[in-house]
Amino acid sequence: GDSVTQMEGPVTLSEEAFLTINCTYTATGYPSLFWYVQYPGEGLQLLLKATKADDKGSNKGFEATYRKETTSFHLEKGSVQVSDSAVYFCALTSSGGYQKVTFGTGTKLQVIP
Amino acid sequence: SAVISQKPSRDICQRGTSLTIQCQVDSQVTMMFWYRQQPGQSLTLIATANQGSEATYESGFVIDKFPISRPNLTFSTLTVSNMSPEDSSIYLCSVGTEYGYTFGSGTRLTVV
Repeated sequence: GDSVTQMEGPVTLSEEAFLTINCTYTATGYPSLFWYVQYPGEGLQLLLKATKADDKGSNKGFEATYRKETTSFHLEKGSVQVSDSAVYFCALTSSGGYQKVTFGTGTKLQVIP
Repeated sequence: SAVISQKPSRDICQRGTSLTIQCQVDSQVTMMFWYRQQPGQSLTLIATANQGSEATYESGFVIDKFPISRPNLTFSTLTVSNMSPEDSSIYLCSVGTEYGYTFGSGTRLTVV
């Protein structure tokens, strides 16, 4: 079945540091890939998405590129801020209509001033 | 994208009781999904709810424990029945639209 593997946290970075959170996936066909973010005490929000190979999703300075050859969708940001502290979830849906979302285990990011 | 109103946002319940969680969507959607997020863990799909048919449950989840209603295309409820402390989690509903998947703000349930 489908699965998502992302790097374990917590990840602690200083403000303005470069962020990478690794994510790889296993799925049949051509899945859509997502990054969701959950800020402390809040619900889940879609951060970015990519629906086909080589697509780059971007939002709020975060980027991730759909790499089919390496089955990866790593999240990057050039300069993190304290306000980026949250839990980040990599996720996918299989191709074909509305399907359930398969989530990775989540990576907690803490940015210190 | 769709906007979901989920309530209650949190509750503290006695073991053995039941809690019904509601999700209202501001547009008609075919499929709604119910997830559980146990403390410190990722989200796990409980069931998929289609209007006019019985919900489809994932392995490890049963209708007697998590009955779901889907009376129309904008509303669904999930009941957590005969609760125990192990049911303490965040429960979220979700819908899929052409813009992607939107999640409710979640119901934080504590069973004492």
